[in-house]
Amino acid sequence: EPEVTQTPSHQVTQMGQEVILRCVPISNHLYFYWYRQILGQKVEFLVSFYNNEISEKSEIFDDQFSVERPDGSNFTLKIRSTKLEDSAMYFCATTILAGAGELFFGEGSRLTVL
Amino acid sequence: QQPVQSPQAVILREGEDAVINCSSSKALYSVHWYRQKHGEAPVFLMILLKGGEQKGHDKISASFNEKKQQSSLYLTASQLSYSGTYFCGTELSGGYQKVTFGIGTKLQVIP
Repeated sequence: EPEVTQTPSHQVTQMGQEVILRCVPISNHLYFYWYRQILGQKVEFLVSFYNNEISEKSEIFDDQFSVERPDGSNFTLKIRSTKLEDSAMYFCATTILAGAGELFFGEGSRLTVL
Repeated sequence: QQPVQSPQAVILREGEDAVINCSSSKALYSVHWYRQKHGEAPVFLMILLKGGEQKGHDKISASFNEKKQQSSLYLTASQLSYSGTYFCGTELSGGYQKVTFGIGTKLQVIP
């Protein structure tokens, strides 16, 4: 069964450092998302990406965050200067059809900012 | 825009039924239901696209009342494997391309 792959599974970083989280979407999927989940809390939308550009972004997704698909396969989330409150599980999700299709989630990347 | 879920938590004995509700103040294009077990990613259960649509998956089914912008997830004859947090996700009408999740309902099934 096709799956969304995320790396790294866990990253520990110092406050102020840059972090890049990577996702390999399912091959025929066109819509890509990043969500985050602070421990024990809800799954929060960060950004959606379609046709090589951002479709929607939340208030959380400020200038410190960016996304890109540099090589046509990896979909990356970059946090330029991490803060303590960025510590969370980050999930990549993809779907073949926005709104009407199942979201396939990756296993997540746990980010710990010290 | 975040959908409102209720209840926030429920404990069931095996074989009992439960209903989880999800409502929105805005017009919906679709409602998704996902289950997340501790330490894992959310897993898709079902999606409802049309007003009044009902879908079923084994002993788990859902309905969508388009007029009231409400959806309900029905778990019948619960099994231990049903334990987890259930999230409803909504996509608003109007071409928005994001699914916004509710706060979740923590369901625990005990023997």
